[in-house]
Amino acid sequence: EDQVTQSPEALRLQEGESSSLNCSYTVSGLRGLFWYRQDPGKGPEFLFTLYSAGEEKEKERLKATLTKKESFLHITAPKPEDSATYLCAATTSGTYKYIFGTGTRLKVLA
Amino acid sequence: DTGVSQNPRHKITKRGQNVTFRCDPISEHNRLYWYRQTLGQGPEFLTYFQNEAQLEKSRLLSDRFSAERPKGSFSTLEIQRTEQGDSAMYLCASSPSGTVNEQFFGPGTRLTVL
Repeated sequence: EDQVTQSPEALRLQEGESSSLNCSYTVSGLRGLFWYRQDPGKGPEFLFTLYSAGEEKEKERLKATLTKKESFLHITAPKPEDSATYLCAATTSGTYKYIFGTGTRLKVLA
Repeated sequence: DTGVSQNPRHKITKRGQNVTFRCDPISEHNRLYWYRQTLGQGPEFLTYFQNEAQLEKSRLLSDRFSAERPKGSFSTLEIQRTEQGDSAMYLCASSPSGTVNEQFFGPGTRLTVL
């Protein structure tokens, strides 16, 4: 069965302390890997799409990378406003659905 | 505002009642998705529309759940005979046509079943 697993479940960082979030996927025929940010009580907000191993995307303090088994979201010098839940999702061949992980709750302390 | 909108934002109902939620996607998007999200979990796929055609439904979707997208514009999700386990955030997302595209989510409808 197709599965997306995120770790850690929760992460507390001091402002400026860089770290990485992990998204492992076990799917047949990956078509796209997505990263979203979700603030409490709101819908997910799109961050990145990655399509093939070796691909990297960058936006401000965030950088997403993809291998054949996992994706990382690297956060460089985070700020308190980066505090949110970060979700990854995969879509595969033969289906229209997107499979989400359970997310990593990030808290950045000032 | 040209984003995805959902109504109502909050719904409190008693067990056994029927509820209906509405989603208005971004106007040029022909793909529409419904998800359910409970606390501490990621969104769980419910169903997918391409224009007015419902092309995929989750096997987990009870027959108490039904969705429509008449004329390929807005969509409705109805839950009949609600149960306490239906309490969740119901999210709608839309995306443009093409091979693989990101989804744009609405703010969600939070359902509480008493």
